Amino acid sequence: ETGVTQSPTHLIKTRGQQVTLRCSSQSGHNTVSWYQQALGQGPQFIFQYYREEENGRGNFPPRFSGLQFPNYSSELNVNALELDDSALYLCASSFGDREAYGYTFGSGTRLTVV
Amino acid sequence: GQNIDQPTEMTATEGAIVQINCTYQTSGFNGLFWYQQHAGEAPTFLSYNVLDGLEEKGRFSSFLSRSKGYSYLLLKELQMKDSASYLCALIHTGGFKTIFGAGTRLFVKA
Repeated sequence: ETGVTQSPTHLIKTRGQQVTLRCSSQSGHNTVSWYQQALGQGPQFIFQYYREEENGRGNFPPRFSGLQFPNYSSELNVNALELDDSALYLCASSFGDREAYGYTFGSGTRLTVV
Repeated sequence: GQNIDQPTEMTATEGAIVQINCTYQTSGFNGLFWYQQHAGEAPTFLSYNVLDGLEEKGRFSSFLSRSKGYSYLLLKELQMKDSASYLCALIHTGGFKTIFGAGTRLFVKA
């Protein structure tokens, strides 16, 4: 097991720019989900990918998009960045229907939009 | 829709027992998670309840009552390292969406 790794750890972008965040899932995990966590709040569900297809989405606009690759790594893309997009972005992986084992979270990417 | 409510903060003494409650309103879910999150770190999985009742794991136990829309996390023999946020989360029926509460910040004092 190598755990879940995310890159970069910190990022500063300007309003209106685009950003790509990356996640490498735990070995053997075929499901990845992305969350946005504002300071002092719980993680907000953005979307989930299973075997390279999006199979669940939270209340986020279309400018939040993602990809999952055959090696189970994934990306979160955010277009037209807004100041309110400043947050910690967490990636979590799991194995299909084995939800009883919970998700393994990465340490997150801290995005600051100025 | 769904709402998950947890107390914002709690304080307890080292060695004591603390119960963190979570209430929810939702149309259906597969199960309920509890996660621990230390400041600046990723959430870590503590427990998962599907059926009503108590699940025990060492010092931590989690309880679920679907009819009452209620869960709690019980922490025994509190240690200073238990100071963290505790997050309650529901996974929707079908497993396609997970909703977290805002979390309860627990402070353990000597």
